[in-house]
Amino acid sequence: DTAVSQTPKYLVTQMGNDKSIKCEQNLGHDTMYWYKQDSKKFLKIMFSYNNKELIINETVPNRFSPKSPDKAHLNLHINSLELGDSAVYFCASSQEASFNEQFFGPGTRLTVL
Amino acid sequence: AQTVTQSQPEMSVQEAETVTLSCTYDTSESDYYLFWYKQPPSRQMILVIRQEAYKQQNATENRFSVNFQKAAKSFSLKISDSQLGDAAMYFCAYGSQGGSEKLVFGKGMKLTVNP
Repeated sequence: DTAVSQTPKYLVTQMGNDKSIKCEQNLGHDTMYWYKQDSKKFLKIMFSYNNKELIINETVPNRFSPKSPDKAHLNLHINSLELGDSAVYFCASSQEASFNEQFFGPGTRLTVL
Repeated sequence: AQTVTQSQPEMSVQEAETVTLSCTYDTSESDYYLFWYKQPPSRQMILVIRQEAYKQQNATENRFSVNFQKAAKSFSLKISDSQLGDAAMYFCAYGSQGGSEKLVFGKGMKLTVNP
């Protein structure tokens, strides 16, 4: 069974479009995250949700809007896609209370043309 | 704000040999966690090893061990008996204790294992 899953794994789209990436975890974790990995492999936190509530928003443009319908899901919606949004986006989850391992999804490679 | 530095962008090692990957970090916190993640070509992020800052004993996981020097803010990873499957990007990461639980990553280091 996949612990943290993301769909789609690959996404190619035109500039200006709106797209969503879905993330689901079946680990019963309370906290979920979105990270962005750029073309130089640098990984940076974008958002963090704990029990459906936003707790971290790291100066991400308004065009990015995370949505957590329940604590097992954290989706990422991106409006008006730009060339610079091309990257690999990772979803992750961890258990609250103490700092435990973050389990990562397989990543979604987004290419904006 | 915390920062993590991996100064060597690439390293190579012969199969069966030992290699050490370096990582330094900067923080004003006294309690925190440090991690090494591996990212093979499959892109999956895999936890290799973790260290709690309050523990003096260095963490070990089979062929992987760390040298944690809290005063020097250094956290190196030693891979013994290197295997071809160890070839990957390796990321050092810092996590705060309590509150914000985001991971702050270093820029990564590409490890090549030569047969």
